[in-house]
Amino acid sequence: QPVLTQSSSASASLGSSVKLTCTLSSGHSSYISAWHQQQPGKAPRYLMKLEGSGTYKKGSGVPDRFSGSTSGADRYLTISNLQSEDEADYYCETWDTATRRVFGGGTKLTVL
Amino acid sequence: QVQLQESGPGLVKPSETLSLTCTVSGGSIISHYWNWIRQPPGKGLEWIGYIYYSGSTIYNPSFKSRVTILVDTSKNQFSLNLSSVTTADTAVYYCARGDYGGPVDYWGQGTLVTVSS
Repeated sequence: QPVLTQSSSASASLGSSVKLTCTLSSGHSSYISAWHQQQPGKAPRYLMKLEGSGTYKKGSGVPDRFSGSTSGADRYLTISNLQSEDEADYYCETWDTATRRVFGGGTKLTVL
Repeated sequence: QVQLQESGPGLVKPSETLSLTCTVSGGSIISHYWNWIRQPPGKGLEWIGYIYYSGSTIYNPSFKSRVTILVDTSKNQFSLNLSSVTTADTAVYYCARGDYGGPVDYWGQGTLVTVSS
């Protein structure tokens, strides 16, 4: 079963960019992953799927400011031109061949 | 646009069974996979299991002996039963769509279930 590791917190200034990282455990570096955003007091929202090729496919209505990338076992979510509404918890997700799902512990993003 | 709505008791006594229903609207439950995910207060997300519209299920081994997920295609609903609950099962429970080999792409708004006597 894969394990996803995320930093517990991150911060960046309004209008700047931030890159969040999610690392897959050893032996699972090829797994496809996804990112979700959870604003305070709300349900999570699907942001994007990171394909094995390193490309990403965003969900409906996700702003262009959000992008994803992959390097080895690392999965990245980059948010450009940070807005106040981007302050949220961000979770990565992956799944095994039977689609048993695993989530990372989440990164709390603070917009300064 | 697919929408999911959880419903059920907000308070369950220890040792009893937690029962929730998820109603799917804006799309058919047919040909998709439907998940239950929970989030204890102040903590992260934990996947409980999923059901295919045909009725086949896969559960998180952490819950396997206590969990049952059922589907009712005539009502476009699926449900969660979690038996022998303890205070550790207090959480916001989300229903979600997440197809085989793909991510969760639609989430319900979540419902808080508190386990307390």
